Amino acid sequence: DMKVTQMPRYLIKRMGENVLLECGQDMSHETMYWYRQDPGLGLQLIYISYDVDSNSEGDIPKGYRVSRKKREHFSLILDSAKTNQTSVYFCASSPGTSQNTLYFGAGTRLSVL
Amino acid sequence: SQWGEENLQALSIQEGEDVTMNCSYKTYTTVVQWYRQKSGKGPALIILIRSNEREKRSGRLRATLDTSSQSSSLSITGTLATDTAVYFCATGTGGYKVVFGSGTRLLVSP
Repeated sequence: DMKVTQMPRYLIKRMGENVLLECGQDMSHETMYWYRQDPGLGLQLIYISYDVDSNSEGDIPKGYRVSRKKREHFSLILDSAKTNQTSVYFCASSPGTSQNTLYFGAGTRLSVL
Repeated sequence: SQWGEENLQALSIQEGEDVTMNCSYKTYTTVVQWYRQKSGKGPALIILIRSNEREKRSGRLRATLDTSSQSSSLSITGTLATDTAVYFCATGTGGYKVVFGSGTRLLVSP
């Protein structure tokens, strides 16, 4: 079954706390992504991971870092979260072909108070 | 700035009507993908059109691509209430980066 799983689905944190968002996929895809979605802005790319320990900044990496120690697992870390990081975060994976179809998880809704 | 962009808009139509959404992009792309996102879910690919194709059909969906004007459209014929969603176009250069537009919100009333 092709699936991307995100945990947790909902998270409330206080400003300055650390946040860990987790993503797993069961398709052995090499490439994984983190996007954030805000109203009126579509999906903005935070980071791309090409494989284990091979990560690249996307369009809005500031304030975020990632970790990929296993091909099936990709984490997004917010060190000392800020209120403007309140958003819905989506993880996606892709087989990395020229068509690059993305398979998305259901998202994590993060509120930073 | 975003490479792919739609005129962010909300469309409200009645079930059975046809609808067309447009997307323009700013840079070269090898493929345009259209995703649908239903409430509370992640986006899911519904149709993909390559740069050497002018039109692609899949069931009630029809995508077009005009590389000269750097624009694409998605048409849905005979809409259903279950087509209610936000529709995104996304562009890629054949590499790993996929850029999404801001989306078109479609509401189909029964």
